Amino acid sequence: DVKVTQSSRYLVKRTGEKVFLECVQDMDHENMFWYRQDPGLGLRLIYFSYDVKMKEKGDIPEGYSVSREKKERFSLILESASTNQTSMYLCASRLGKTSYEQYFGPGTRLTVT
Amino acid sequence: DQQVKQNSPSLSVQEGRISILNCDYTNSMFDYFLWYKKYPAEGPTFLISISSIKDKNEDGRFTVFLNKSAKHLSLHIVPSQPGDSAVYFCAARDYHRDDKIIFGKGTRLHILP
Repeated sequence: DVKVTQSSRYLVKRTGEKVFLECVQDMDHENMFWYRQDPGLGLRLIYFSYDVKMKEKGDIPEGYSVSREKKERFSLILESASTNQTSMYLCASRLGKTSYEQYFGPGTRLTVT
Repeated sequence: DQQVKQNSPSLSVQEGRISILNCDYTNSMFDYFLWYKKYPAEGPTFLISISSIKDKNEDGRFTVFLNKSAKHLSLHIVPSQPGDSAVYFCAARDYHRDDKIIFGKGTRLHILP
């Protein structure tokens, strides 16, 4: 069974703080993704990575950066958190580009006050 | 521009009856379509998929139908059970855009006792 874990289920941060969200997968998947989910907006892709050290912007990368130093770990960084980044953050992994099924972690509910 | 559209934000169905969730898409380059199910405070889980070369795929109580000429797909759940109450996301793979998965906004399904 594929397991995708996220470092925190709930997080509360202050405006202007630097925030790190960690994601780890244990199935040697090449591709990893960060989404945010907001009511009425569905899942929106922030960043993705097809391999170690590689990263690509998704549809809403502004205000975020990512890091993938090891294959199993993909970190999302909010350089200076703002209230409009309050959201549910979901990490996913996929075996490779020719695959289609993504496996999601449980999500991190981030509140920025 | 929304490429995957789920026009019904919510749907209520009596237990034991058929649930039909609909999805429309605009991009003819999509080659795979997927349905994900999401419970509150959990990550989405893969439910069923269909290749663009097929028009039907069945897995137990779940059947997905694809009408390429209408750019429309639907998920049928028969019979509906209380545990089916969740948010359902329709998604599509765009092989022209690095195999990214594009998600719809989701439909919340309520199964009534």
